[in-house]
Amino acid sequence: DTAVSQTPKYLVTQMGNDKSIKCEQNLGHDTMYWYKQDSKKFLKIMFSYNNKELIINETVPNRFSPKSPDKAHLNLHINSLELGDSAVYFCASSQVDRYNEQFFGPGTRLTVL
Amino acid sequence: QKEVEQDPGPLSVPEGAIVSLNCTYSNSAFQYFMWYRQYSRKGPELLMYTYSSGNKEDGRFTAQVDKSSKYISLFIRDSQPSDSATYLCAMAPTGGGNKLTFGTGTQLKVEL
Repeated sequence: DTAVSQTPKYLVTQMGNDKSIKCEQNLGHDTMYWYKQDSKKFLKIMFSYNNKELIINETVPNRFSPKSPDKAHLNLHINSLELGDSAVYFCASSQVDRYNEQFFGPGTRLTVL
Repeated sequence: QKEVEQDPGPLSVPEGAIVSLNCTYSNSAFQYFMWYRQYSRKGPELLMYTYSSGNKEDGRFTAQVDKSSKYISLFIRDSQPSDSATYLCAMAPTGGGNKLTFGTGTQLKVEL
């Protein structure tokens, strides 16, 4: 009974390809997030959705497009992958008024060759 | 200068030691202060959080916030090898649009 799940766990792809990462939470939360963790372990917010509405959109290249089909799912599509996109991408969720208590998924390790 | 600074370590201590992990920050609007633990190749998990200043204790873990110095600490008593992980501090203002700002994490190794 995983709380926040992501697929795939590992993703290896060539530069220029388009790929998607999926996230699902069964906690009943209405806010979901995407984070990027670089090789130095620095974790940075990319996007946040509250009940399917985009509420945080950090300075992220527009090759990254989040999509929330419903409040339990938040997907991340990346176009024209670049070497610098290699990182671990984490999905997280929280209740909207308890954003300090975020629950993270296991991460998707993306390697762009 | 980053909004949140954290010594990356690695920090190596013997089993049973008291560990002190720290973060400094520059944004005086931060009111929520969190500590996350991240095991290798896993997602971060929330250990504890405090609101505004003061101390909070949970078992072997104590979180302290000194807003006047913009300094927060996490103490781990009687450290165990299972505490070996990266510890990330995170902060947020109230009404800040759900955004957490993380430190870079301190890697801790507790040795037998």
